[in-house]
Amino acid sequence: DGGITQSPKYLFRKEGQNVTLSCEQNLNHDAMYWYRQDPGQGLRLIYYSQIVNDFQKGDIAEGYSVSREKKESFPLTVTSAQKNPTAFYLCASSRDGLEKLFFGSGTQLSVL
Amino acid sequence: GQNIDQPTEMTATEGAIVQINCTYQTSGFNGLFWYQQHAGEAPTFLSYNVLDGLEEKGRFSSFLSRSKGYSYLLLKELQMKDSASYLCAVRVRSNDYKLSFGAGTTVTVRA
Repeated sequence: DGGITQSPKYLFRKEGQNVTLSCEQNLNHDAMYWYRQDPGQGLRLIYYSQIVNDFQKGDIAEGYSVSREKKESFPLTVTSAQKNPTAFYLCASSRDGLEKLFFGSGTQLSVL
Repeated sequence: GQNIDQPTEMTATEGAIVQINCTYQTSGFNGLFWYQQHAGEAPTFLSYNVLDGLEEKGRFSSFLSRSKGYSYLLLKELQMKDSASYLCAVRVRSNDYKLSFGAGTTVTVRA
């Protein structure tokens, strides 16, 4: 079945540590996105990518980094510069960036 | 920035109808999406409106008025499984891959 897979489901970060969240899709979609979801707030865009080897900053990119070396994969690294990383992270994809989004099941990141 | 407002919470009885409003004040408009999200799960697409009027899909309908900056999602014949958060999202520009999301409305269906 086609879909979008995020791993791990739960992740814990120690002070000063970088952690990487995985996102893989087999929908053959060109566009991929990372959103952050905090309680009581709307989804906020961290980074997005329209094609392989290209990505753009979203509204809250500071403290995060991404890569898009393969069409199927769009990993997100939460660096030590992100001082408030505890949140639910959602990866999404869409066929051409203008159609509906398909979301992964999310990763809950917490700080130890 | 973009401003998208939804009520925080709504409660309704099984079998009833609930209407979730979404108002937006954005620098442009090129379509509005509704997503459903059960707790701890991925949002799933419900509907898309770009022209004024009502779009009906089974028990769910979505309405748009661009002149009023207003949309609603109507859930009919409520079932317990409809208890979820409903997210309104606006595409501001036609060539923009970004969506601006509201904070979501949590709907609780009671027996």
